[in-house]
Amino acid sequence: QSALTQPASVSGSPGQSITISCTGTSSDIGGYNYVSWYQQCPGKAPKLIIFDVTNRPPGVSNRFSGSKSGNTASLTISDLQTEDEGDYHCSSYTTTISRVVFGGGTKLTVL
Amino acid sequence: QVQLQESGPGLVKPSQTLSLMCIVSGGSISSDRHYWSWIRQPAGKGLEWIGRIYASGITNYNPLLESRLSISLDTPKNLFSLRLNSVTATDTAVYYCASTPKGREGFDLWGHGTVVTVSS
Repeated sequence: QSALTQPASVSGSPGQSITISCTGTSSDIGGYNYVSWYQQCPGKAPKLIIFDVTNRPPGVSNRFSGSKSGNTASLTISDLQTEDEGDYHCSSYTTTISRVVFGGGTKLTVL
Repeated sequence: QVQLQESGPGLVKPSQTLSLMCIVSGGSISSDRHYWSWIRQPAGKGLEWIGRIYASGITNYNPLLESRLSISLDTPKNLFSLRLNSVTATDTAVYYCASTPKGREGFDLWGHGTVVTVSS
């Protein structure tokens, strides 16, 4: 069981927007602005798409955006495209001795 | 541009030690500009943070693995290593090495990953 809770799957049609949630506690998401999101295509390593809740690394499309409210972080993908299909993982810094926690991952299907 | 590459045996017998290296190219592992981590992913499952090491040699470990785990730096060879003792089938996974820029969280660079199977 992962420390952060994500939906197992989400789906959307090309051109639509979707949001993936990531719920933690006040010891991780709620307490710090250190939430990251990763995109993972089949058979590939994860790729960082959002760091520190809202920031995009260079080269990442502005269709990806992050936000946080209380103990829940969210990733929004606008103008969905077929190449957005894959698994999305959230992570957060935590004040538990573990330091880093991940969510269980969400599979995005673009119908 | 910094790149990471995992290296090590793909098959380990139960009760033995899993040993992996992460070779860092394009940057110095001792520059104190990054933290260096190991992360694993069992087939069809989510990511699990294993632990990390700083340029100073200080380590943070996942408490679920800490009693079996060691992460170390090899500065002359510009790599960092993972050793996990007393492995069982539940340690079968894709193992990734990754880096975090100092002063931030999140893993900005990843190796391609290496599959490790624990089986007799």
